[in-house]
Amino acid sequence: EPEVTQTPSHQVTQMGQEVILRCVPISNHLYFYWYRQILGQKVEFLVSFYNNEISEKSEIFDDQFSVERPDGSNFTLKIRSTKLEDSAMYFCASRLDISNQPQHFGDGTRLSIL
Amino acid sequence: KNQVEQSPQSLIILEGKNCTLQCNYTVSPFSNLRWYKQDTGRGPVSLTIMTFSENTKSNGRYTATLDADTKQSSLHITASQLSDSASYICVVSPFSGGYNKLIFGAGTRLAVHP
Repeated sequence: EPEVTQTPSHQVTQMGQEVILRCVPISNHLYFYWYRQILGQKVEFLVSFYNNEISEKSEIFDDQFSVERPDGSNFTLKIRSTKLEDSAMYFCASRLDISNQPQHFGDGTRLSIL
Repeated sequence: KNQVEQSPQSLIILEGKNCTLQCNYTVSPFSNLRWYKQDTGRGPVSLTIMTFSENTKSNGRYTATLDADTKQSSLHITASQLSDSASYICVVSPFSGGYNKLIFGAGTRLAVHP
């Protein structure tokens, strides 16, 4: 069965550095998402992406965050200048079309900011 | 404020027993309600999706119910197995033009003991 794959599985970065988290969604999916889960807390929506643009974003997704689909297969989340509070598990998800289809999640990237 | 509350926080049952997990939500307008299973260190995996017009949805030993009037849902697990040990997360999608961001509950952590 097709899967959403995320790399790396664990990223350790110094505070203030830029980090790029990578995702390969399921190939024929059209809608893409990033979520994060701080340790011990709920999964939180960050951003949705459709037709090469952001369709919705949360308050968490400020100017330090950006997303890109550079080559039609990868979907990336960039954090420009990381803060300690950015430490979390980041999940990428993709969905086939606009109907009530499930979002398929990757296994996440654990981001640790030192 | 859009919220999803789940109970109990955690639950221990013996292998072969049944259990029921509860979810209350205040999300409005409402598009659909989903139940996800999340194994430790993995991404969430979709179990069921119900729109407001559906009362029940089954997926093998998992049966979800929805009462859109009282804004309550339940997930019933029949004949539990050791592999059912995981977090079960109630997730609600508000109506947002089809992009379907997800609002997560905190989950019920289920442990199935032999």
